[in-house]
Order: sequence, then structure tokens, then C-alpha cells
Amino acid sequence: GESVGLHLPTLSVQEGDNSIINCAYSNSASDYFIWYKQESGKGPQFIIDIRSNMDKRQGQRVTVLLNKTVKHLSLQIAATQPGDSAVYFCAESPDSWGKLQFGAGTQVVVTP
Amino acid sequence: KAGVTQTPRYLIKTRGQQVTLSCSPISGHRSVSWYQQTPGQGLQFLFEYFSETQRNKGNFPGRFSGRQFSNSRSEMNVSTLELGDSALYLCASSLGRSGLSYGYTFGSGTRLTVV
Repeated sequence: GESVGLHLPTLSVQEGDNSIINCAYSNSASDYFIWYKQESGKGPQFIIDIRSNMDKRQGQRVTVLLNKTVKHLSLQIAATQPGDSAVYFCAESPDSWGKLQFGAGTQVVVTP
Repeated sequence: KAGVTQTPRYLIKTRGQQVTLSCSPISGHRSVSWYQQTPGQGLQFLFEYFSETQRNKGNFPGRFSGRQFSNSRSEMNVSTLELGDSALYLCASSLGRSGLSYGYTFGSGTRLTVV
């Protein structure tokens, strides 16, 4: 039969506005977190990462915030552009051996 | 430098058959991880190899296996294919040395369709 897909939350953003994408992670022992962007037909593309000994890290137009107290991660995109339309995933590394645990993803739609 | 290369890009197989997918990591990367992506389950970790040794394994049946060669290239094999194995199979490579930024880089994936 037909499989039920994960319900991806959708964030609609007007071009030029700032976007905030949120993610709750599950493992308090995770010490490394990554945000990925995935466009249709492509593999996940690295955006920015942060280690658990940091609260904030900035890249080009992107900022990641980490709140370990409530196990929450967010990605801020400044001046969102049409090319930012994609599915965004947060991922946590619960151990040192190459395993990433991914969130369900957020669909970002940028409107002109 | 060249990214992570996965071959083939698309594959159609019949139930009961077996399939082998290939992944060439970024030059110098010694860790290769495999993931399955489906609409129903999202991205799920299959296994990870470092220097030809499997270091970590996800919750998949024994029909899913992999290996890594001395040049760090990796293959994954799925035997006795089921319709539910239809998915995008992604591989990611990293330097793999603990204590450093992991920097996982993904390939474009192999789209497997089982009919």
C-alpha cells in the first residue's frame, strides 16, 4: 500500500526577510550538530556546524544557536533568497563513530 | 577537489534480486557512512566504515551489508530486495578522526526503485 510520508513543517518566507528554522534534538550526550540543506534530486549540502561547547556560531548569512538546556537548535538565515528554498535538516552526532541522527526536516519556501 | 561520488545514480531492480551501490569518498577522507532516505522514515543511518572496519551500525536487517576497500571506496549491498527498500541511498565521507570537526560531505545519492 501507499506509505505515509513524514509531515514536513513548512516555513514560508518573503524574499529579503530573515528565516528561523527550529529543531529539537533527542540525545543529551550529542556533542556535535550540523545543519544541512537538501534541494530536490540532490544530496544534503552542509551549511554550518556547531560543537556542544559553543552556544552560537556564524557563517555567511547563517547563524546557528544551540541551547543545551532544552536540547534545541536553530538556524537563522539572513536576507532569505529564492535559492534558499529547500528542505533543511538538523543532525546530531550521538557518538564519535560516524553516525548522524537527522530530524524530520523543514521545507522552506521563499516567495518573491 | 572532487566531491563524494556515488554510482549508479538510478537503479531499477526486481523483488528478490540483490544490488550493489558504490561510493567514492573525497580524497583523503577515510570514513564513509551510508544512509537511507525515504518519504516515510526520513534519513536513517545504515552503517559507517573507517579504515576498512565497520565502526557503527544502524537498525537495519542483515540483508543490508557493506564494506570498505583500502582506498577508502565503499560499497553497500542489499540482498533479497523488497518493495520497501525503494529509497534514495546516500553516502557521506569525512576525515573520521575523532576530536576534529567531522565535516560530513554527502554525495548525490543512488535512487533505487524495487518493482
